[in-house]
Amino acid sequence: RKEVEQDPGPFNVPEGATVAFNCTYSNSASQSFFWYRQDCRKEPKLLMSVYSSGNEDGRFTAQLNRASQYISLLIRDSKLSDSATYLCVVKSGYNKLIFGAGTRLAVHP
Amino acid sequence: EADIYQTPRYLVIGTGKKITLECSQTMGHDKMYWYQQDPGMELHLIHYSYGVNSTEKGDLSSESTVSRIRTEHFPLTLESARPSHTSQYLCASSEVALNTEAFFGQGTRLTVV
Repeated sequence: RKEVEQDPGPFNVPEGATVAFNCTYSNSASQSFFWYRQDCRKEPKLLMSVYSSGNEDGRFTAQLNRASQYISLLIRDSKLSDSATYLCVVKSGYNKLIFGAGTRLAVHP
Repeated sequence: EADIYQTPRYLVIGTGKKITLECSQTMGHDKMYWYQQDPGMELHLIHYSYGVNSTEKGDLSSESTVSRIRTEHFPLTLESARPSHTSQYLCASSEVALNTEAFFGQGTRLTVV
């Protein structure tokens, strides 16, 4: 079983749609959680950290459920420019960064 | 923008050659990482370092080796390149503290012919 699992998608949604991505992790000792975005043939870049109380940044909302070892990302009012691969990232107790395989999002007009 | 740099950006080299991929960061980060990523596929951690003179193998077995003689440099070496080494190699760094993000270089696209 992979340490970090994501639905690979692709999610094909129209502009303006709301889309949600899920991620589960297997190591209960994991300490920190992030969502990264990776555009085609580019390096990953931080989208947002994920805090236990949940957090929001504009159209993006991230939530963490430690009991279920589950992380989510909600994107509201999708834009064409949101098309990318979204990576769920977990930092373990040994400070290793473990990436999920990513969920592909395609927003169409 | 992150202050982490990789050179070369692109490298095409013949089988059997020795290559070194450079990674440098000016943020004073103790943690550094090397990931390997094939097109359209996930990132695999191949090496990481907690600081100077610290190197650890990642989750994906790799024939490459790394060194960490200075905080800012984390080069990756392949003694004898093979076509199976063709991939993108991404270097990243972060602070040791939890809840701190990792910053990535732009990557090196390696093609071994």
